[in-house]
Amino acid sequence: SQTIHQWPATLVQPVGSPLSLECTVEGTSNPNLYWYRQAAGRGLQLLFYSVGIGQISSEVPQNLSASRPQDRQFILSSKKLLLSDSGFYLCAWSHPGVQPQHFGDGTRLSIL
Amino acid sequence: AQSVAQPEDQVNVAEGNPLTVKCTYSVSGNPYLFWYVQYPNRGLQFLLKYITGDNLVKGSYGFEAEFNKSQTSFHLKKPSALVSDSALYFCAVRGYGGSQGNLIFGKGTKLSVKP
Repeated sequence: SQTIHQWPATLVQPVGSPLSLECTVEGTSNPNLYWYRQAAGRGLQLLFYSVGIGQISSEVPQNLSASRPQDRQFILSSKKLLLSDSGFYLCAWSHPGVQPQHFGDGTRLSIL
Repeated sequence: AQSVAQPEDQVNVAEGNPLTVKCTYSVSGNPYLFWYVQYPNRGLQFLLKYITGDNLVKGSYGFEAEFNKSQTSFHLKKPSALVSDSALYFCAVRGYGGSQGNLIFGKGTKLSVKP
């Protein structure tokens, strides 16, 4: 069966520091991959999605970036974090087509 | 533009009573609809989906949803609520055009089931 892993579960970073959040999927190949941010336990904002290695689409312009160095690895990065980057970051995968997305357990990021 | 609306921020139900969490949608093509549940500090869990076929879709944990094309609704239902059903529920619709393949989520409805 397929599983998705995100780490770390929680992270506290100072303003201006860099960021790297990692997400890996097991048990499937060539998945679509997604990064979301959830503010205040409510609506999800799609940040990036990828349909293949090296293929990244950005939904919202910001100081975050994403990379997909391997088929089942998706990384969210920032060179300099802002206070507004605080939130709950969720990674998800899906098969291509009209398929449900499956989510990891998220990383809660606090910026001080 | 595609959109999903969940008109209720919170729904309160007594344990054992039926529950309904409402969702309406707007899409430019065939509606592909999904329901997810989120427990505190966890990711979203897929409950059920409507692609085509029967308007009543059955999903996980005893939940079902009724697709109504004329009312552009996809309400989530359960005949008898459990305290453990208390969580945040999200409705989503598959996007078209530039967002094709991506899911557009509603803002979520907090379900509270009291014993």
